[in-house]
Amino acid sequence: EVQLVESGGGLVQPGASLKLSCVASGFTFSDYWMSWVRQTPGKTMEWIGDIKYDGSYTNYAPSLKNRFTISRDNAKSTLYLQMSNVRSEDTATYYCTRGATYYGYNYDYWGQGVMVTVSS
Amino acid sequence: DTVLTQSPALAVSPGERVTISCRASESVSTGMHWYQQKPGQQPKLLIYGASNLESGVPARFSGSGSGTDFTLTIDPVEADDTATYFCQQSWNDPRTFGGGTKLELK
Repeated sequence: EVQLVESGGGLVQPGASLKLSCVASGFTFSDYWMSWVRQTPGKTMEWIGDIKYDGSYTNYAPSLKNRFTISRDNAKSTLYLQMSNVRSEDTATYYCTRGATYYGYNYDYWGQGVMVTVSS
Repeated sequence: DTVLTQSPALAVSPGERVTISCRASESVSTGMHWYQQKPGQQPKLLIYGASNLESGVPARFSGSGSGTDFTLTIDPVEADDTATYFCQQSWNDPRTFGGGTKLELK
C-alpha cells in the first residue's frame, strides 16, 4: 500500500524558515517524480513544485521559486520542502504527492497533509 | 496562468446523474485531471488525461472533454459521493487547479 506521511508543520513566525518532510513507503520511491501541493484555509489548491525521480531536476511555481526548495533522499525514501522567509499567505495544509507522468502530470497519491500556520 | 473555472456547488438526489464542469481560460488539450476530496481527507485522483478512469475508482465516474471545456460525470450519484471535486491542468506551466465544486446530496 502506498503511503506518504508528512511532518514538520506547525506555528512559525513571519520571516522564519521551516522544513517539511515526507516519508514514502509501499513503492519504489526512486522511480517516481514527487511534488508538493498546498491548500489554503479557503480550500484553494496551489502547485508548489516537482522533483525528478533522481533529484537532478526541479520545477517550481514562479511565485514560490525564490523561497521554496524541494529535495529528496532516495536512500531514505524521503521528500523535503525547505521554506524560507515565510509569510502569512503561506498558511496552508501542505501535501506531499506522487507524480504520475502518463497522460500529462497528475498526482496519483497524496499524503494526509501537514498544517503550517504563519503568525506572530 | 491558466485559470480553471468551476461552479462552486451542486445539490443532487441519490440515484441521479450529475455533471461537474471545468472551463479553462486557454486550451489544455487533454491534460486535465479530476480529484475528489471528502471533508477532512486528502484529495484522491479519479480521472486522468481528461477521460481515463484511475484504477480502483468506480465506473460511475467518467470524464470527457478537450481543449477548454471538461466534464466530470457521476451516474448514478451515491450518498458517499458527498465531497468537493477539483480539476487540475498539466498542459500549461504552471500547473493550476480549479476552485472546486462542492457536491451535496439532497
